[in-house]
Amino acid sequence: EPEVTQTPSHQVTQMGQEVILRCVPISNHLYFYWYRQILGQKVEFLVSFYNNEISEKSEIFDDQFSVERPDGSNFTLKIRSTKLEDSAMYFCASRYDMGGMPDTQYFGPGTRLTVL
Amino acid sequence: GDSVTQMEGPVTLSEEAFLTINCTYTATGYPSLFWYVQYPGEGLQLLLKATKADDKGSNKGFEATYRKETTSFHLEKGSVQVSDSAVYFCALRCVSTFGDGTTLTVKP
Repeated sequence: EPEVTQTPSHQVTQMGQEVILRCVPISNHLYFYWYRQILGQKVEFLVSFYNNEISEKSEIFDDQFSVERPDGSNFTLKIRSTKLEDSAMYFCASRYDMGGMPDTQYFGPGTRLTVL
Repeated sequence: GDSVTQMEGPVTLSEEAFLTINCTYTATGYPSLFWYVQYPGEGLQLLLKATKADDKGSNKGFEATYRKETTSFHLEKGSVQVSDSAVYFCALRCVSTFGDGTTLTVKP
């Protein structure tokens, strides 16, 4: 069964450094998402991406964040200058397009980001 | 805006006990509703979903019925197992609004 993959599984970085989290969505999916989950808290939506542009973003997704689909398979989340409060589990998700009908998001296993 | 209110946890049950985790929502229109499960150290997995009123989603012995009149989508299982210990999230729509999560621990 196809699945969403994410690398690395754990990233440790120093405050102020840039990080890039990578995701490979399911190959025929068209919509891509990033979420984060601070330890012990709820899952929070960051951004959705469709047709090579951001379709929706939350208040969390400020100028320090950016997303890119650099080729036909990868979907990346960049944090330009990490802060301590960026420490969280970051989940990528993708979904197919059922022509406006509700559809299921498939989540990757997550990347745990630790900012020191 | 959309919101999901989920039963506060943690919930601790004995094996074979009956499980209910409450979920209510506030949203415009008729959103799709989802339950996700997160096992320790793992990512989110879709457990079940319902897309319209009175739909019942079911999977692995879990069920939830989309109740438009009470704006609810309560998760139930008749007989829980130790392996069901996880965090359960109720969620709304494709770009999901998640509840706070309910931690379930099942003891043998």
